[in-house]
Amino acid sequence: QSALTQPPSASGSLGQSVTISCTGTSSDVGGYNYVSWYQQHPDKAPKLMIYEVSKRPSGVPDRFSGSKSGNTASLTVSGLQAEDEADYYCNSYAGSIPYVFGTGTKVTVL
Amino acid sequence: EVQLVESGGGLVQPGGSLRLSCAASRFTFSGYWMHWVRRAPGKGLVWVSGISNDGSITTFANSVKDRFTISRDNAKHTVFLQLSSLTAEDTAVYYCARDTRYSFDIWGQGTMVTVSS
Repeated sequence: QSALTQPPSASGSLGQSVTISCTGTSSDVGGYNYVSWYQQHPDKAPKLMIYEVSKRPSGVPDRFSGSKSGNTASLTVSGLQAEDEADYYCNSYAGSIPYVFGTGTKVTVL
Repeated sequence: EVQLVESGGGLVQPGGSLRLSCAASRFTFSGYWMHWVRRAPGKGLVWVSGISNDGSITTFANSVKDRFTISRDNAKHTVFLQLSSLTAEDTAVYYCARDTRYSFDIWGQGTMVTVSS
């Protein structure tokens, strides 16, 4: 049950874009189209931002988008805003385990 | 508003036990798998345990297997996590979350568990 690999940090200026990667294996990210992404502000509960690789729940801005290629999924935040500064976690369904989170990425808005 | 509210956290000595509860409201509780996820201080999110909508299937992370038990009472719209043989490594905020389409779409506010002598 190894965590999915994410970069510890990422940053971008206001209005620019940032992309976060999430690398797993063929047993999780590469094996299923059930990758989701969560945003967590300090002392707050996580919030679902993307599900099934690229779908956005109602209310999530279309600045947030997801994709996947092989064993690596990605979250892109376009038009960065101050409130996007947070920790981001990917998650994948992994069959019998059944879920594994990523190591987390702290996004800083410059 | 759809809501999950955890309770039961607190300070417990190493080797001790604790029972966490998560009360659901404003959705058909019996129609969903439910999960517990934790975040230790300075660390990331970790999936801990899940239970099927009717309670017949339970799953656990290797790190808590044989020490934690998950259960649910659909009549009371509540899911439980029984923690036992606790160590300092179990210190974390514990969240319950609803499973929709293989993602966690609703989260509680979390309850803090501190294992310390």
